[in-house]
Amino acid sequence: AQSVAQPEDQVNVAEGNPLTVKCTYSVSGNPYLFWYVQYPNRGLQFLLKYITGDNLVKGSYGFEAEFNKSQTSFHLKKPSALVSDSALYFCAVRDMGQAGTALIFGKGTTLSVSS
Amino acid sequence: KAGVTQTPRYLIKTRGQQVTLSCSPISGHRSVSWYQQTPGQGLQFLFEYFSETQRNKGNFPGRFSGRQFSNSRSEMNVSTLELGDSALYLCASSRSASGSNTDTQYFGPGTRLTVL
Repeated sequence: AQSVAQPEDQVNVAEGNPLTVKCTYSVSGNPYLFWYVQYPNRGLQFLLKYITGDNLVKGSYGFEAEFNKSQTSFHLKKPSALVSDSALYFCAVRDMGQAGTALIFGKGTTLSVSS
Repeated sequence: KAGVTQTPRYLIKTRGQQVTLSCSPISGHRSVSWYQQTPGQGLQFLFEYFSETQRNKGNFPGRFSGRQFSNSRSEMNVSTLELGDSALYLCASSRSASGSNTDTQYFGPGTRLTVL
């Protein structure tokens, strides 16, 4: 069965510092991996995805993520955090062999950026 | 291009009632998925529709059902509501051209259902 783990419920970082939000996954085949962000009382906004190719994926708002197959990880990173990055972040996976576009989500990580 | 729209945005029902939620996908998108978001269980997949056919289904009781129309708009229905059905229900659409499963899902703002 597919699963996603986000080991940290909350990540705290000071504005201007680099941030990392961790994600590990488990699928039977090869993964498609996604990151989404959710602001209060809003739906999910797409940040970036890994389908194939370069292990370093660049996305919206200066975010990037690194796919590591041996560690089954897809950590989200940003070189310099902004207070406005404070939100709930979700990692999601889809098995390449799966029919359809349904996603399995992690529990989410709350990012808090202090000024 | 307009995003995914969901109506209504907020809904209050009592136990035992039934409810219908609506979702209009991004123009040109043929796949619509529904998710339930709760503080305890997080985001859980309900079902996916593609070309008016249910393509995938999550692990939810039969009280939860859905359908998709020829214009790709989708509805989900919950019958005999329980207190535990209180949640944010999110709809997502994707192009899913030629049945491809690499496409990104784009989410609507959700419908907040409260069951009293």
